[in-house]
Amino acid sequence: DGGITQSPKYLFRKEGQNVTLSCEQNLNHDAMYWYRQDPGQGLRLIYYSQIVNDFQKGDIAEGYSVSREKKESFPLTVTSAQKNPTAFYLCASRTGTGRNEQFFGPGTRLTVL
Amino acid sequence: DAKTTQPPSMDCAEGRAANLPCNHSTISGNEYVYWYRQIHSQGPQYIIHGLKNNETNEMASLIITEDRKSSTLILPHATLRDTAVYYCIVRVPSSNSGYALNFGKGTSLLVTP
Repeated sequence: DGGITQSPKYLFRKEGQNVTLSCEQNLNHDAMYWYRQDPGQGLRLIYYSQIVNDFQKGDIAEGYSVSREKKESFPLTVTSAQKNPTAFYLCASRTGTGRNEQFFGPGTRLTVL
Repeated sequence: DAKTTQPPSMDCAEGRAANLPCNHSTISGNEYVYWYRQIHSQGPQYIIHGLKNNETNEMASLIITEDRKSSTLILPHATLRDTAVYYCIVRVPSSNSGYALNFGKGTSLLVTP
């Protein structure tokens, strides 16, 4: 089945540690996105990538880093510089044909202790 | 992107039509209206989108007023599984942010037995 996978579903880390969240898609989509969601809030854009080896900062990129070495993969690293990393992280992808339908993964809930 | 206003919450009886309003009075001529929904602790799901004509698909209908300043998402026969947060998003299909979507807080729809 085609889709977007994120792993793990739940992740716990100690304060001060970097952590990398996985996002893989087999939809052959060009563009991929990372969003953050806090309780009771909408989604906020962290980073996006429209093509392999290229990515751009979103609205809240500070304390995060990404890479896009393969079309299928867009991992997000939450660094120790991120002041409030506990949140629900959502990855999405979109085909590059101009339509704005985004397909979302199931999300990773990160808790920093 | 045009700003949208949605009621924070709504209730609907199972089997009845759910009508979710969205105001977007500052919408410009080339901006589309998109609707997504997010079931608790899952990734958002695309529902429907439109420019000026009413649209219908297997999930819902989208009614856009003639002046395009507001729209209504209609779930014709709501089920308990339609309980979710519904997001109305207005934007142009192309932008400098790689087509990323600006999710607000949405409307929390509760479908009751």
